Amino acid sequence: SSELTQDPAVSVALGQTVRITCQGDSLRSYYASWYQQKPGQAPVLVIYGKNNRPSGISDRFSGSSSGNTASLTITGAQAEDEADYYCNSRDSSGNHVVFGGGTKLTVL
Amino acid sequence: QVQLQQWGAGLLRPSETLSLTCAVYGGSFSDYYWSWIRQPPGKGLEWIGEINHSGSTNYNPSLKSRVTISIDASKNQFSLELSSVAAADAAVYFCAGGLPAAIGTYYYYYMDVWGKGTTVTVSS
Repeated sequence: SSELTQDPAVSVALGQTVRITCQGDSLRSYYASWYQQKPGQAPVLVIYGKNNRPSGISDRFSGSSSGNTASLTITGAQAEDEADYYCNSRDSSGNHVVFGGGTKLTVL
Repeated sequence: QVQLQQWGAGLLRPSETLSLTCAVYGGSFSDYYWSWIRQPPGKGLEWIGEINHSGSTNYNPSLKSRVTISIDASKNQFSLELSSVAAADAAVYFCAGGLPAAIGTYYYYYMDVWGKGTTVTVSS
């Protein structure tokens, strides 16, 4: 079982804003990183650190954190944002890497 | 720009040993923690383990008894061996590079480079 918990599925209307959450004890001391994965492809990093986007990632993506919960927000969701999203950090000991179970985002 | 190229056998029989290698091109090999991650069909990502440039390893406790990750720093390569495979080990296996960092009292860890994945099938 994952030490980071995500909702299995979330949907959003085209152009609207959606928040995907990730909960876990390690998030009290680690910022989560977020990855987008489309079918048949490797995951792609979209948010890391307090709220950093790698080069080439749309500014529609933003991250935030409060207590043991991290959030990925997509503002003005587009059809191409439909994908699986995973959160990630190290565990509370710092010795292992953990992933959330993933959230399937559907853009309606 | 760091890039990863991975290879290895894609079809195994039960009880055999899975062996994959990942080569690192560009960037600083010594900055990263090098991980293996797998994804069974239709399921989420599972971290298998990691190694740093000096050979220090960490493994997922659920797989630790069967996993060995090694490194050849002279070739900028790292490898995965998973022994005694079974049907449950069938998955896409990814290599990836992770970077640790800190801001004040907060830490973060992110994997900004990934291989394309190798599909591993286990069948008798």
